[in-house]
Amino acid sequence: KNQVEQSPQSLIILEGKNCTLQCNYTVSPFSNLRWYKQDTGRGPVSLTIMTFSENTKSNGRYTATLDADTKQSSLHITASQLSDSASYICVVSAQSGNTPLVFGKGTRLSVIA
Amino acid sequence: DAGITQSPRHKVTETGTPVTLRCHQTENHRYMYWYRQDPGHGLRLIHYSYGVKDTDKGEVSDGYSVSRSKTEDFLLTLESATSSQTSVYFCAIGLAGVSDTQYFGPGTRLTVL
Repeated sequence: KNQVEQSPQSLIILEGKNCTLQCNYTVSPFSNLRWYKQDTGRGPVSLTIMTFSENTKSNGRYTATLDADTKQSSLHITASQLSDSASYICVVSAQSGNTPLVFGKGTRLSVIA
Repeated sequence: DAGITQSPRHKVTETGTPVTLRCHQTENHRYMYWYRQDPGHGLRLIHYSYGVKDTDKGEVSDGYSVSRSKTEDFLLTLESATSSQTSVYFCAIGLAGVSDTQYFGPGTRLTVL
C-alpha cells in the first residue's frame, strides 16, 4: 500500500534555531516528492519539488533532501523565524495507479520567541 | 492563493440537507481538484477534473458529486450531508497531470449538525 509517514508529528523550537523534518514513503513507482507549507487557516503552498535524480533542493532557508534508495526525504529549516510556524506536508506522486498522489499527515512546527 | 476562490468560506448545515461548494479560478488551469482535510488524516482527494465535463473519482468520493461546466468553475455537491462530512474542504488547480504542482484555495469549513 502506498503510504507517506512524517515525523515528528509536532515540534517546538526557539526562534533562530534549525530543525529537520522527516518523510518516509513506500510509494511506487516513484515520480516526484513535494514539500508543502500550510499556515493555519490557509491552503498548502508548495515549497520544493524533487524528482528521482535530485538529491538536494533549496528554497531560501528551506532545504529538501531526497534519498530514493531508502525512500526518505527531509526538510531542513535554517535560522527559523516565527513565520515558519505552520504544518509541513510531504506529498509523493506515483507514476501510475489509482492513488497518484499520497499525502503525509504533516508535521506541526511551532517557532517560539 | 494563486487566483483561486472558494465559496462559501464557512457553512453550518443540518444532516440530510444538500450542500454545494464552489471553486473558481482565474488561472485557466486545466486540472481542478477537491480535497477534504480532517485531523489525524492527510489531505484526501474527493474528485478531480481534467477538463470541462471531464471528472473522475478520488479515494473518498462516496457521498459527493462534482460538476464542471466551465473551465473556471468546479462545484462539489453533498447530496445529503452527514455529520461525517464535517471537514475543511480545499480546492486546488494544476496545469498538467495529477503529479504536477497543485495550487490550493483558502478552504471552506463545513459543519454538519
